[in-house]
Amino acid sequence: TQLLEQSPQFLSIQEGENLTVYCNSSSVFSSLQWYRQEPGEGPVLLVTVVTGGEVKKLKRLTFQFGDARKDSSLHITAAQPGDTGLYLCVPRGANDYKLSFGAGTTVTVRA
Amino acid sequence: NAGVTQTPKFQVLKTGQSMTLQCAQDMNHNSMYWYRQDPGMGLRLIYYSASEGTTDKGEVPNGYNVSRLNKREFSLRLESAAPSQTSVYFCASKEQGFRSGNTIYFGEGSWLTVV
Repeated sequence: TQLLEQSPQFLSIQEGENLTVYCNSSSVFSSLQWYRQEPGEGPVLLVTVVTGGEVKKLKRLTFQFGDARKDSSLHITAAQPGDTGLYLCVPRGANDYKLSFGAGTTVTVRA
Repeated sequence: NAGVTQTPKFQVLKTGQSMTLQCAQDMNHNSMYWYRQDPGMGLRLIYYSASEGTTDKGEVPNGYNVSRLNKREFSLRLESAAPSQTSVYFCASKEQGFRSGNTIYFGEGSWLTVV
């Protein structure tokens, strides 16, 4: 079983500040997805990273996959209240039927 | 396009009562999942069904049973509800296997309170 850790568990920042959340494992990921869950809703896919060292940008969100494919980070620039939510990572790969998520990072952006 | 639909949205049960959470997806996905979400604990996998006709235990299966009724529907049953089962339950589905960009789709959640 792949141990997946997300940090920090909680993060509260002021609008306009930057933040970074992390997803780490003791094992190598084939690939990884990040989801965001807004209050009262189900999680929604943000991005899939596949290649070690890959960097993907989605507006103010920057996702990085570690060179060794054992870790990933999500950086938000100039956070807005609409970025508030629970950020979850999940390893993905061929025949990945049993999907286990990290505990997530709860981000609160204060106006 | 409905995606993943789960019912009921809210339910209050007394300890010892039974109930079934229903989930249906209209995306022709092979794999379906039930998760529970408690404060500070992210999503924990209860049961999953890799394909029609198969079900397997996840991380926290005790106190639950599931039925993969057909390719569209995957139900979760609490036979004798306990206060520890108070939680938000999410159903999810995805295509079989993994290709880059293969998305996991979630329902809107079912809030269950056991008193």
